[in-house]
Amino acid sequence: SQQGEEDPQALSIQEGENATMNCSYKTSINNLQWYRQNSGRGLVHLILIRSNEREKHSGRLRVTLDTSKKSSSLLITASRAADTASYFCATAPENSGGSNYKLTFGKGTLLTVNP
Amino acid sequence: NAGVMQNPRHLVRRRGQEARLRCSPMKGHSHVYWYRQLPEEGLKFMVYLQKENIIDESGMPKERFSAEFPKEGPSILRIQQVVRGDSAAYFCASSRSGQGNEKLFFGSGTQLSVL
Repeated sequence: SQQGEEDPQALSIQEGENATMNCSYKTSINNLQWYRQNSGRGLVHLILIRSNEREKHSGRLRVTLDTSKKSSSLLITASRAADTASYFCATAPENSGGSNYKLTFGKGTLLTVNP
Repeated sequence: NAGVMQNPRHLVRRRGQEARLRCSPMKGHSHVYWYRQLPEEGLKFMVYLQKENIIDESGMPKERFSAEFPKEGPSILRIQQVVRGDSAAYFCASSRSGQGNEKLFFGSGTQLSVL
């Protein structure tokens, strides 16, 4: 499997439900980030969690990080049709000196929120 | 307050031709990063540039690919003598300082198709 691999590949839910996406990675990281990509558009940064953090919240988003299992999860609560997009996790390597730029992305989870 | 602008959005080339992809960073950003997304793959880092300098090109193929970010004008990713395997989405990102856990802002990408 690749560094930054999301699971599931696709997820379809009803509006109002919660959506949970998982990400696994292989090497030690400095931080892990989640991005959203609407069809045909660029990636939008959602949230960053550092390797010494376990949980982070931003609005309806909740991210957890378990460095012992090398995994992260993204929870979107009370989903809306506008949340329909692909979601990617990206990791910055431990030896990056904190610089984000050399990110490794997974293939993404396609989330469909049905109205 | 325009975001990262990439053009063209779609580029079709025949094998052996040259492809030039342009990226204008966000206003006030002097750090540019190019990523490539092959079909069915996650984004992969290619190169990091500041004005007139290549900082890290460890993700660039050794041949046919080059990048520049001149003092004036957009950053250019050039692919000479394109082959079918170069078909991919090429994303540019920018940041203000390139330091620490600074967020990257991505453009909408250029979809390169090689016939």
